[in-house]
Amino acid sequence: DIQMTQSPTSLAASVGESVTITCLASEDIYGSLVWYQQKPGKSPQLLIYGATILEDGIPSRFSGSGSDTQYSLKINSLQPEDFASYYCQNGLSTPWTFGGGTKLELK
Amino acid sequence: EVQILETGGGLVKPGGSLRLSCATSGFNFNDYFMNWVRQAPGKGLEWVAQIRNKNYNYATYYAESLEGRVTISRDDSKSSVYLQVSSLRAEDTAIYYCTRSGSWELGVMDAWGQGASVTVSS
Repeated sequence: DIQMTQSPTSLAASVGESVTITCLASEDIYGSLVWYQQKPGKSPQLLIYGATILEDGIPSRFSGSGSDTQYSLKINSLQPEDFASYYCQNGLSTPWTFGGGTKLELK
Repeated sequence: EVQILETGGGLVKPGGSLRLSCATSGFNFNDYFMNWVRQAPGKGLEWVAQIRNKNYNYATYYAESLEGRVTISRDDSKSSVYLQVSSLRAEDTAIYYCTRSGSWELGVMDAWGQGASVTVSS
């Protein structure tokens, strides 16, 4: 199985700042990396797939990058609604494994 | 509008069984794969199972940690998917989400239901 390791597990930032979350796969996933956002008490929402492709309706302040085993999610100019948990997911093969999550909190 | 609605959650005794249902609308169900993903209280996301569509012979895939205790199925005529879980344990306590994946992006879950809460306790 492909293991997904996210860092950091938590992160405190202020509105207007930029943050980066990283995700490391245990083997090359050839760009098949997915990012989700989950707000408290809500279902996860797809943000990015194929490592870099923004889902329809997702603001352009979100961006994804990476290749092989190393990937990142960058959020520019944080907005109040961005404080949530973020998960990466292996999109290459079953089992569809998730990273442990990163909780982005307001500083 | 895509709608995904899970039902069937509740309180179950250890060793018991549960069948979760997921009714969908707003998209061509036949074109999509469907998944169940769960989230234990205060924890991260764990994929449970996937069922592919008719074009893929309704192939099923399961998380190894649950294999043998779960069965995913679908009824295309009802645009619904189901998850049967048996021999329930306390660690199965979670919110169970029904999600869809496109057959062109097999693991990308682009729509999620609101979740069904399952509590396993005596």
